[in-house]
Amino acid sequence: GAVVSQHPSWVICKSGTSVKIECRSLDFQATTMFWYRQFPKQSLMLMATSNEGSKATYEQGVEKDKFLINHASLTLSTLTVTSAHPEDSSFYICSARESSYLYEQYFGPGTRLTVT
Amino acid sequence: KNQVEQSPQSLIILEGKNCTLQCNYTVSPFSNLRWYKQDTGRGPVSLTIMTFSENTKSNGRYTATLDADTKQSSLHITASQLSDSASYICVVSAGGGGFKTIFGAGTRLFVKA
Repeated sequence: GAVVSQHPSWVICKSGTSVKIECRSLDFQATTMFWYRQFPKQSLMLMATSNEGSKATYEQGVEKDKFLINHASLTLSTLTVTSAHPEDSSFYICSARESSYLYEQYFGPGTRLTVT
Repeated sequence: KNQVEQSPQSLIILEGKNCTLQCNYTVSPFSNLRWYKQDTGRGPVSLTIMTFSENTKSNGRYTATLDADTKQSSLHITASQLSDSASYICVVSAGGGGFKTIFGAGTRLFVKA
């Protein structure tokens, strides 16, 4: 099946610094990638949808200047958490939609971010 | 309002037993319904995907059903194993291309020896 990877799998950073998380579709091309945030014992919350070569569409309440998303190629999207604060500590998950099969979304393994 | 509700919130069963998880939705227009399994600290993994015309879909010991009239789906797990302990998430997509996706809160399943 289709594989989506994320890097890093976990990261600890100091408050005020920026962190970049990569999401790659390894064996398929993804015109659309999604970024989610998940707090403990809660379901996934969509943060933004990105289409290759265009600006990301952010969900209501998600600060676009804080969570920078770049989808520069059909196999790579990045999420940069700028000026991170402890409340940004969460589990960040990306998913990718294969362009030729619209329904299925393939999820990455997630990145655990801890801001101290 | 598009919503997906799952029940129960959590469930404890003994290894080897069967269980059924429920998903009710009010998403319109309906495109497809997916069940995912999410282990703690991992990303969701797809179990089944069903469109409007499909009533049932199996994946090993997992069988999903869909009643588009009553807008209900269930996920039946047969002969549970300890490795089935996870969160099971029902996801419903709306729209012609299924681009609007609504996640259920999930059911937390604990399988005990």
